[in-house]
Amino acid sequence: EPEVTQTPSHQVTQMGQEVILRCVPISNHLYFYWYRQILGQKVEFLVSFYNNEISEKSEIFDDQFSVERPDGSNFTLKIRSTKLEDSAMYFCASSKVRDGTQYFGPGTRLLVL
Amino acid sequence: GIQVEQSPPDLILQEGANSTLRCNFSDSVNNLQWFHQNPWGQLINLFYIPSGTKQNGRLSATTVATERYSLLYISSSQTTDSGVYFCAGQETSGSRLTFGEGTQLTVNP
Repeated sequence: EPEVTQTPSHQVTQMGQEVILRCVPISNHLYFYWYRQILGQKVEFLVSFYNNEISEKSEIFDDQFSVERPDGSNFTLKIRSTKLEDSAMYFCASSKVRDGTQYFGPGTRLLVL
Repeated sequence: GIQVEQSPPDLILQEGANSTLRCNFSDSVNNLQWFHQNPWGQLINLFYIPSGTKQNGRLSATTVATERYSLLYISSSQTTDSGVYFCAGQETSGSRLTFGEGTQLTVNP
């Protein structure tokens, strides 16, 4: 069964450094998403992406965040200058249609020191 | 955006017991999903159920969209059912899923 994959599974970085989190959505899906979950809290939406542009973003997704689909398979989340409060699990998800099932990847656990 | 509330926040069961988890949402949704977050943090899709009833093995779910709630039933619970159960709704005009706070389920042997 096709699944969403994410790399790396864990990343440790120093405050102020740039990180890029990578995702390979399910191949015939057209809608892509990033969510995050701070330890012990609920999952929060960051951004959705369709047709090579952001379709919706939350108030969390400020200028330090960006997303890109650099080729036909990858979908990336860049955090330009990490802060301590960016430490969280980041999930990528994809869906075939806008209101269809969103399938989540296994997550990247980011720790900012 | 929609509001999603889950109850109870915590639930402790003995193996073999049945349980019902509830999810209330504030507005009409065109996507309601239930997830199980396992001890490794992975979000496992359980159901996509904007309305009606679905069953998958020991799990079943019912969403009554007109009354803005969804229920997840777990029968004959097993220790491997332990973890956090989240429901998440998507409003008709947007793409984001809004998650509830989750129900922490512990099944004891």
